Amino acid sequence: DAGVTQSPTHLIKTRGQHVTLRCSPISGHKSVSWYQQVLGQGPQFIFQYYEKEERGRGNFPDRFSARQFPNYSSELNVNALLLGDSALYLCASSLVKVFGRYNEQFFGPGTRLTVL
Amino acid sequence: AQSVTQLDSHVSVSEGTPVLLRCNYSSSYSPSLFWYVQHPNKGLQLLLKYTSAATLVKGINGFEAEFKKSETSFHLTKPSAHMSDAAEYFCVVGGADGLTFGKGTHLIIQP
Repeated sequence: DAGVTQSPTHLIKTRGQHVTLRCSPISGHKSVSWYQQVLGQGPQFIFQYYEKEERGRGNFPDRFSARQFPNYSSELNVNALLLGDSALYLCASSLVKVFGRYNEQFFGPGTRLTVL
Repeated sequence: AQSVTQLDSHVSVSEGTPVLLRCNYSSSYSPSLFWYVQHPNKGLQLLLKYTSAATLVKGINGFEAEFKKSETSFHLTKPSAHMSDAAEYFCVVGGADGLTFGKGTHLIIQP
């Protein structure tokens, strides 16, 4: 079975530009979450989507947005890029919509975004 | 609100000796707890999860973690370290705010 896939693997942008990152969940998983991992830190929660609706949002500015499509794939959009947005962006999928005791999330390899 | 504190940023052990990675958590609810491992240039892999069925949780590759509610701890252990265990380890608490990761512990294995 294919795991969580993300594209592109690497991306270089300049300040002020926007970027779109893509994620395909494991087949059958209806929940997708996005995380930002700055070098040397643990991942930070950005969004969770389930059945095309936003179910959770972390402490990120409105420049960050996301959506989920009918096939459960997802896009993360970041506008007006800042140098500080340089990070590894991780997508994770899970079977259920809330973080319960038995839930686990399966992570993709990530997209490395560099903002110059 | 939920939070996780990993007490050591780096841990160095010799191959064949025990591993202990320490984690304390804070959660308003009965927590969901996980340990993930991240090898260089690889994705995050789930090592084990606390499901409340047992306080001692067994994971992959010989790792275990013990949930201690009175100490709000979820330390990760392995009896005998292997060179392939060298990686970044994250303690994670799950709840209404999504998954909250600790800052990570870098495990170094000395030959």
